[in-house]
Amino acid sequence: NAGVMQNPRHLVRRRGQEARLRCSPMKGHSHVYWYRQLPEEGLKFMVYLQKENIIDESGMPKERFSAEFPKEGPSILRIQQVVRGDSAAYFCASSRGGSRGHYAEAFFGQGTRLTVV
Amino acid sequence: KNEVEQSPQNLTAQEGEFITINCSYSVGISALHWLQQHPGGGIVSLFMLSSGKKKHGRLIATINIQEKHSSLHITASHPRDSAVYICAVRSLLSGSARQLTFGSGTQLTVLP
Repeated sequence: NAGVMQNPRHLVRRRGQEARLRCSPMKGHSHVYWYRQLPEEGLKFMVYLQKENIIDESGMPKERFSAEFPKEGPSILRIQQVVRGDSAAYFCASSRGGSRGHYAEAFFGQGTRLTVV
Repeated sequence: KNEVEQSPQNLTAQEGEFITINCSYSVGISALHWLQQHPGGGIVSLFMLSSGKKKHGRLIATINIQEKHSSLHITASHPRDSAVYICAVRSLLSGSARQLTFGSGTQLTVLP
């Protein structure tokens, strides 16, 4: 059972280009979370998705950032018109749904390191 | 004040030493994670706790819900334990029940 798979591991984009980060959750997991780790800073929540639904995007910048988790295929975090300040490590985690009152553990991917030049 | 505070920020130890990393939080939680991150590497979940104590090999994690405090202990430390250790909590606050809030991490260096 493969873990959470993120690709690419490293991504270099010029200012103004688009960045697409992919996350394939663990088998059987229907919940995906994206987190961002800026240089010299801690991890911050961005968005929580279930299949075909965004549940909580309170941590996502209002402009240029979007996320999806389609019925088939990986979750995608998309950053349009990237700027230098978007350079960071982006981590994806996945979990099972969990039953009422029971919290399902989340497992993390290796991360995608985005560098904007 | 951050919701999750870790101490110390940096810790250097000699191989074989017993290590303790502390985590205090200010909100009600449903679960607490201890995570490990190697330089340039991914994040590995070491423990998820909601009460009591868990042990895995040389690692022990404890949590005191009443005091809102957790500790991660490493016995017989080894240079390969060198990494950043991160405490993260799943808050009970409405609207945030599904996201993790992270501490700033403790950089551990174990010298041979």
